[in-house]
Amino acid sequence: GAGVSQTPSNKVTEKGKYVELRCDPISGHTALYWYRQSLGQGPEFLIYFQGTGAADDSGLPNDRFFAVRPEGSVSTLKIQRTERGDSAVYLCASSDNGNTEAFFGQGTRLTVV
Amino acid sequence: GDSVTQMEGPVTLSEEAFLTINCTYTATGYPSLFWYVQYPGEGLQLLLKATKADDKGSNKGFEATYRKETTSFHLEKGSVQVSDSAVYFCALIYRYAGNQFYFGTGTSLTVIP
Repeated sequence: GAGVSQTPSNKVTEKGKYVELRCDPISGHTALYWYRQSLGQGPEFLIYFQGTGAADDSGLPNDRFFAVRPEGSVSTLKIQRTERGDSAVYLCASSDNGNTEAFFGQGTRLTVV
Repeated sequence: GDSVTQMEGPVTLSEEAFLTINCTYTATGYPSLFWYVQYPGEGLQLLLKATKADDKGSNKGFEATYRKETTSFHLEKGSVQVSDSAVYFCALIYRYAGNQFYFGTGTSLTVIP
């Protein structure tokens, strides 16, 4: 596609539920990032993929968070047993080799009620 | 660890005023440095970048120079416009530290006519 696409753009879920957030990167980009942005804060790193593998998952806050990229393109961020503190905008970005500029999607606004 | 410190906002300027947003970084080695901009209701966009010391990134009248001696990458514009109102994020990536982008907390700029 022309840019990084994230779906859904908004997600409201009840506390304790499971959610999946999808990211469709720019075609051909091998590097894919997930970030979380809370109001008034900069993006906080969650996980970085190079191809299909998670090269760095040090930013995942706990074991309720998991992400996959099985074919090296689309990625899904999965959050189990959601908590109100998980409410944020989840950003996805991709780049062509992981060492240059990243192109960001519009984000998914997750609200846990 | 690697990090970015940005001037806190919000910043309010009159149209045609001079803008400086300070950014300093802490990193081992030689990171690449970026300024990203987030316009109201939009996703993060790359504004400019510099990949080595003394490089100057420029775009849309904005400039920033990679200063290794002061570990800084201050954003400047000689004459701001109302359309420059946005949140500006300084960021770095260091290839040998996990390839994750480290972002500052963002500086909100409002330009009034």
